[in-house]
Amino acid sequence: DIQLTQSPSFLSASVGDRVTFTCRASQGISSYLAWYQQKPGKAPKLLIYAASTLQSGVPSRFSGSGSGTEFTLTISSLQPEDFATYYCQQLNNYPITFGPGTKVDIK
Amino acid sequence: EVQLVESGGGLVQPGGSLRLSCAASGFTFSDHYMDWVRQAPGKGLEWVGRIRNKASSYTIEYAASVKGRFTISRDDSKNSLYLQMNSLKTEDTAVYYCARGLHSSVWYFDYWGQGTLVTVSS
Repeated sequence: DIQLTQSPSFLSASVGDRVTFTCRASQGISSYLAWYQQKPGKAPKLLIYAASTLQSGVPSRFSGSGSGTEFTLTISSLQPEDFATYYCQQLNNYPITFGPGTKVDIK
Repeated sequence: EVQLVESGGGLVQPGGSLRLSCAASGFTFSDHYMDWVRQAPGKGLEWVGRIRNKASSYTIEYAASVKGRFTISRDDSKNSLYLQMNSLKTEDTAVYYCARGLHSSVWYFDYWGQGTLVTVSS
């Protein structure tokens, strides 16, 4: 199985900050990576797919990059509604796997 | 508007069975792959399995943790997805989500239901 690690596990940031999360795969997954945002008690929401394609309706402050084994999600200017947990997901191989998540909290 | 509504969750004893349903609307259900994902209380996301569309012969993939115990099916005439869960274990306790596939070389999960809670406990 492909293992995904995310760093940091927890991030404390302020509104307006530029924040970057990293997702590393245990083996190459091309660009078959997605990023999801999840708020407490809610279903995950697709933000980015194919490593860098912004899902329709997602604000342009979100961006993704990377290929192979290392990927990043960047929020250019953190907004109050962005405080949530972010998960990466690989779809290169079965089983489909998710990273453990990065929780973003208010500083 | 795309909607996915799960139902069928509840409390079940270890070794018991439960069948979850996911009612889809607002899109052509038969065109899409569909997935089940679960989330144990306070934990991360775990993919459960996938059923492909008719064009891909309705083939199915499962996570190792549920293979042989869970069965995914769909009824395109009813716009519905199902998850039959047998031989349930306490570690199957989770919120179960259905998710729609978005095709872009592979199938990502672009819409999710609100989830249904399954609790396995004696």
